[in-house]
Amino acid sequence: KAGVTQTPRYLIKTRGQQVTLSCSPISGHRSVSWYQQTPGQGLQFLFEYFSETQRNKGNFPGRFSGRQFSNSRSEMNVSTLELGDSALYLCASSWGTSGLTEQFFGPGTRLTVL
Amino acid sequence: GDSVTQMEGPVTLSEEAFLTINCTYTATGYPSLFWYVQYPGEGLQLLLKATKADDKGSNKGFEATYRKETTSFHLEKGSVQVSDSAVYFCALSDTGANSKLTFGKGITLSVRP
Repeated sequence: KAGVTQTPRYLIKTRGQQVTLSCSPISGHRSVSWYQQTPGQGLQFLFEYFSETQRNKGNFPGRFSGRQFSNSRSEMNVSTLELGDSALYLCASSWGTSGLTEQFFGPGTRLTVL
Repeated sequence: GDSVTQMEGPVTLSEEAFLTINCTYTATGYPSLFWYVQYPGEGLQLLLKATKADDKGSNKGFEATYRKETTSFHLEKGSVQVSDSAVYFCALSDTGANSKLTFGKGITLSVRP
């Protein structure tokens, strides 16, 4: 069974640009969550999608947005990039939305903003 | 809001040493508790979990017990190996209808041969 895949794995952008990251969940999983990992703030929850609906959102500015498609694949978009957006962005999938269900993480997309 | 506090790191041990990594939490209700491990250049892997008080999660020689009275979920291993070198994260989730994970800061473990 293939794991969670994220593309691209590495990305370099300049301030002011926008970026789109992609996540393909494990087959059969309908929930996708996104996290930002930085040395200073650690792992922070961005948002969760289930059946194409955003179920939960973390404390991030509106420049961070996401969506989920009917095949459960998800994308997140960051507009007007800032230096502080440099981070590892992790996607996690699970079959359900309960806090009891195990989440499986992808390898992440390393975003560098210059 | 919910929060997780882990002991400060990094931690360096010799092979076959005993490992304890402390984790305490603050949450309303009855969260599920997790330990995740992150190897260099990889995403997070679930190491073990416990979903109610007094549950013991275990995997690959690691253990942690859900202690509601002390709001703790300390990770232990009797004999660490070089291959255990990684970053370890304690996390919790609300058992309600969302799977948001709240993580601790993480601690880097290095095991010397």
